[in-house]
Amino acid sequence: DTAVSQTPKYLVTQMGNDKSIKCEQNLGHDTMYWYKQDSKKFLKIMFSYNNKELIINETVPNRFSPKSPDKAHLNLHINSLELGDSAVYFCASSQNRGPGTFGSGTRLTVV
Amino acid sequence: KQEVTQIPAALSVPEGENLVLNCSFTDSAIYNLQWFRQDPGKGLTSLLLIQSSQREQTSGRLNASLDKSSGRSTLYIAASQPGDSATYLCASGPGAGSYQLTFGKGTKLSVIP
Repeated sequence: DTAVSQTPKYLVTQMGNDKSIKCEQNLGHDTMYWYKQDSKKFLKIMFSYNNKELIINETVPNRFSPKSPDKAHLNLHINSLELGDSAVYFCASSQNRGPGTFGSGTRLTVV
Repeated sequence: KQEVTQIPAALSVPEGENLVLNCSFTDSAIYNLQWFRQDPGKGLTSLLLIQSSQREQTSGRLNASLDKSSGRSTLYIAASQPGDSATYLCASGPGAGSYQLTFGKGTKLSVIP
């Protein structure tokens, strides 16, 4: 059983489109995250979501919005996609401030 | 704001050598520090987690140390193998008021047979 699963694994879309990436964790963790890995392979936090408290990295454009229907899911919605949004997006979870468990990533390509 | 630096950015060693990867961080008020491995085109695999109260953790041929006072961690890999070739990422754990990890840019390791 995959601990943190993301779908889709690959996403190719045109500029201006709106897309979503889904994330589910079956570890019973109370905190979930979205990270972005850019073309230089640098991983940066985008959002963390703990007990309905959302912490947003101030550098994330408001075209990105996380949505959590329940504790096991944290989906990422992106509006009006731009070329610069092309990256690998990782979902992760942890129990409070414990070790992070990562999904396998979603490679987004905007053309 | 936490900053994590990893040195060297890339390292190439012959098979069988022992090696050390270095990580430094600017804010020592962290709960833990985690080392990950990332293979090309793949996700992150957690290797070792060191709690702030610990000095080191070991798993097989891997040993990670943590010196919070100096803001440093090292990952020691003994008897390296070609299968160890990957990018190794150091991530400082959350501090008070935050939950997320702060990553370094990684060290790309190549072990030559």
